[in-house]
Amino acid sequence: EAQVTQNPRYLITVTGKKLTVTCSQNMNHEYMSWYRQDPGLGLRQIYYSMNVEVTDKGDVPEGYKVSRKEKRNFPLILESPSPNQTSLYFCASSLSVWTTEKLFFGSGTQLSVL
Amino acid sequence: SQKIEQNSEALNIQEGKTATLTCNYTNYSPAYLQWYRQDPGRGPVFLLLIRENEKEKRKERLKVTFDTTLKQSLFHITASQPADSATYLCALDITGGSYIPTFGRGTSLIVHP
Repeated sequence: EAQVTQNPRYLITVTGKKLTVTCSQNMNHEYMSWYRQDPGLGLRQIYYSMNVEVTDKGDVPEGYKVSRKEKRNFPLILESPSPNQTSLYFCASSLSVWTTEKLFFGSGTQLSVL
Repeated sequence: SQKIEQNSEALNIQEGKTATLTCNYTNYSPAYLQWYRQDPGRGPVFLLLIRENEKEKRKERLKVTFDTTLKQSLFHITASQPADSATYLCALDITGGSYIPTFGRGTSLIVHP
C-alpha cells in the first residue's frame, strides 16, 4: 500500500530536549516536505527536499533541521524544542520533482513541548 | 502579500443537497489549485487539481471550478452524504513553481442526515 509513515504519532517532551520525528515513504517520490498545522493558521511548510542531499527552507524553518540521506526518509529534527513548537506536524511527498502537485500526507505527529 | 481565504464558518447542509465551498486568493498567479480533505487529527488527502488554463474539473460527485479573473475557485459536492463531513482545504502554487504551496485555513463541512 502506498503511504507516508510518520513516527511517533504522539510525543510529549520538555523544553531543550532534542527530538527527531521520522518520515518514510514507499512510493519512490522525489519531493518530500514537512508542515506544521496550528489552529487558525492552517498548514505552513517548514522544509522541503527535491532529492537526496537537496533540502531548502519553507515558510517557517526557524528551530528545525532536516536531512535527506536516502530517498525514502526525511526526518525532522528539533535540536532544542520550545513550547511554541507545540503543534501538529505532517510529512508529505509528491512524485513530481518540479511541482507540489498531489501531495501524499502522513497521519501526523502531535507534539507537545512543556 | 499573497493571501488565500476560505470561509472560516462551518457549512451545514442536509444530506442529498449540493455543498459549495469557496476559495478566494489575492496577489497570486497560480499555476494550479488543489483541494484536499482533512478529517480530525488526520493528514489531508488529495481530491482534485485544476490548472490555470482549465475552467472546470470533475471526479465522481466532486466538481471544481477555477476563475482566474475573479481569483476564485468553487468546490462542489453533489448528493452530499454524512460521510462527506470533514474540513476541506484549498492550496495554491504559483506559476513557475515555488515548491512551497500555500494552504487556506480550510472550511468545515457538516452534512446532516
